[in-house]
Amino acid sequence: KNEVEQSPQNLTAQEGEFITINCSYSVGISALHWLQQHPGGGIVSLFMLSSGKKKHGRLIATINIQEKHSSLHITASHPRDSAVYICAVMWGTSYGKLTFGQGTILTVHP
Amino acid sequence: DTGVSQDPRHKITKRGQNVTFRCDPISEHNRLYWYRQTLGQGPEFLTYFQNEAQLEKSRLLSDRFSAERPKGSFSTLEIQRTEQGDSAMYLCASSLGLEQYFGPGTRLTVT
Repeated sequence: KNEVEQSPQNLTAQEGEFITINCSYSVGISALHWLQQHPGGGIVSLFMLSSGKKKHGRLIATINIQEKHSSLHITASHPRDSAVYICAVMWGTSYGKLTFGQGTILTVHP
Repeated sequence: DTGVSQDPRHKITKRGQNVTFRCDPISEHNRLYWYRQTLGQGPEFLTYFQNEAQLEKSRLLSDRFSAERPKGSFSTLEIQRTEQGDSAMYLCASSLGLEQYFGPGTRLTVT
């Protein structure tokens, strides 16, 4: 059983829409990462969170430690945002290794 | 380019052959991780080095897999007697603190 659950698995949006991807995890963590993966495989780190909220451009990431839940929001979505978005957590005693969700495939149509 | 690099980017091999992948981390990073990603899934942890010491290995890493990081710099991941189930993207990441930086991955296809 995957200890990191993402939803939805697939998401289709029209350009300009507000998008939310959710991530839930089972036990306490030291940090949570949101990652972006384009076709071809390369992974880019978008955010690392241990509490609160972070914003970068049109991307916003929030985390609620008590509820063991994080969200990634994309405002004013654009076709270039089409990618796989992956949530990954670092458990408290894991020496930094990440446990990944299964990813959310986002397609934004013009 | 000061990012994480991996070589080769693509490898096609026949079942039963041995393959070796290389990862060059960001130079000052003391931690290095190997992950494997199969189609449609998120990556899974394989092994982790702090400097030259291999501190943890996943149960996914069978006896056919071996990883090294001599002198705490680049790392190699070798798969012996490859099987079709080994076909995957092999990702390397490095870190100094909590944030990990990923390489482009090596896509292995076993025919």
